[in-house]
Amino acid sequence: EAGVAQSPRYKIIEKRQSVAFWCNPISGHATLYWYQQILGQGPKLLIQFQNNGVVDDSQLPKDRFSAERLKGVDSTLKIQPAKLEDSAVYLCASTQHGYNEQFFGPGTRLTVL
Amino acid sequence: AQSVTQPDIHITVSEGASLELRCNYSYGATPYLFWYVQSPGQGLQLLLKYFSGDTLVQGIKGFEAEFKRSQSSFNLRKPSVHWSDAAEYFCAVGAIQTGANNLFFGTGTRLTVIP
Repeated sequence: EAGVAQSPRYKIIEKRQSVAFWCNPISGHATLYWYQQILGQGPKLLIQFQNNGVVDDSQLPKDRFSAERLKGVDSTLKIQPAKLEDSAVYLCASTQHGYNEQFFGPGTRLTVL
Repeated sequence: AQSVTQPDIHITVSEGASLELRCNYSYGATPYLFWYVQSPGQGLQLLLKYFSGDTLVQGIKGFEAEFKRSQSSFNLRKPSVHWSDAAEYFCAVGAIQTGANNLFFGTGTRLTVIP
């Protein structure tokens, strides 16, 4: 079984530029999550999708972050414009049923200069 | 509100020695508890989870954890550490809120294993 795929693995941008991350969850997993992991901290949930609908985006900085999950499969997370404090690893996770294990992708490491 | 505290930022143990990583949580109802491990440049891998039942849970790679409700703790243990166990370990509590099921993570404990 293929795991959660994310791309790119690394990204370096200047502040005020835009960036997008892509996630392909495990096949059949209805729930998809995006987390932000700042260096030295645990992952923090940004947004949760159930199929193609948003369940929880209370921690998403909506003035600059956006996410979508078209057709309930792949998802894209965008930052526009980026700030220095957005430097972090962005993790995507998916799960088949609500309270079971979340399977994590390898993450995208973003550096904002 | 849910929260997780991992009081030890960094732990160093000798290979073959026993290990205990501490985790304390705050949650108003019965928690779902998890331990994840993260190797450098990798995503998080589940070691074990507690939903209900036996308070001593066994996981992968020889790890176990014990849920103690009276102490709001879910400490991770391993009787004999291997050099490959060097990694970052995260405790997490699962919360059910308005249909969502989110994980709240602690800040992690970095484990160094010396020969």
